[in-house]
Amino acid sequence: AQSVSQHNHHVILSEAASLELGCNYSYGGTVNLFWYVQYPGQHLQLLLKYFSGDPLVKGIKGFEAEFIKSKFSFNLRKPSVQWSDTAEYFCAVQNTGNQFYFGTGTSLTVIP
Amino acid sequence: GAVVSQHPSWVICKSGTSVKIECRSLDFQATTMFWYRQFPKQSLMLMATSNEGSKATYEQGVEKDKFLINHASLTLSTLTVTSAHPEDSSFYICSAPLRGSYNSPLHFGNGTRLTVT
Repeated sequence: AQSVSQHNHHVILSEAASLELGCNYSYGGTVNLFWYVQYPGQHLQLLLKYFSGDPLVKGIKGFEAEFIKSKFSFNLRKPSVQWSDTAEYFCAVQNTGNQFYFGTGTSLTVIP
Repeated sequence: GAVVSQHPSWVICKSGTSVKIECRSLDFQATTMFWYRQFPKQSLMLMATSNEGSKATYEQGVEKDKFLINHASLTLSTLTVTSAHPEDSSFYICSAPLRGSYNSPLHFGNGTRLTVT
């Protein structure tokens, strides 16, 4: 069975701190990888995606993620978080059957 | 940009009744749509893949007779929760890939909060 694991369930940071959220997946075939964000009271929005090529991908709002194939990981990073980054973050995997599976989510709280 | 519209946003129904949730792709054709269920403070659980013109594909553990999915057109998929019970209370979210194919991110509806009393 395919699964997506996010190790950090709840992260609390002060503004300007650096962020790294872990994501690992288990799937033997080719995958596409995504990070979605859900701000309070809003629907899911795409932060960034990896299909192929450069394993370091940059997304919106200063976020980036690195795909490490050997570790089946796709960790999300941001050098300096802002209060407005407070949200729920979901890692997702798309398999070749075009199905999407989501991780359990990480709740990020940024303290001003 | 691409928009997925979901209706209703919230619904309260009595136990034993059925509820239909609609998911529409507003400015693109969606041959495939996905239905998710999200419990409080938890992730999205894929329930089923809705395919236009054919039967939906259900994930393991999801009752196909309870969660009826119909994808009658390229812009509309419906999820009907039949004989709803309180344990069906949840947040249901539909989504669709913009180009309906691999290498296409998902666009999400705003979700439907179902409360069964």
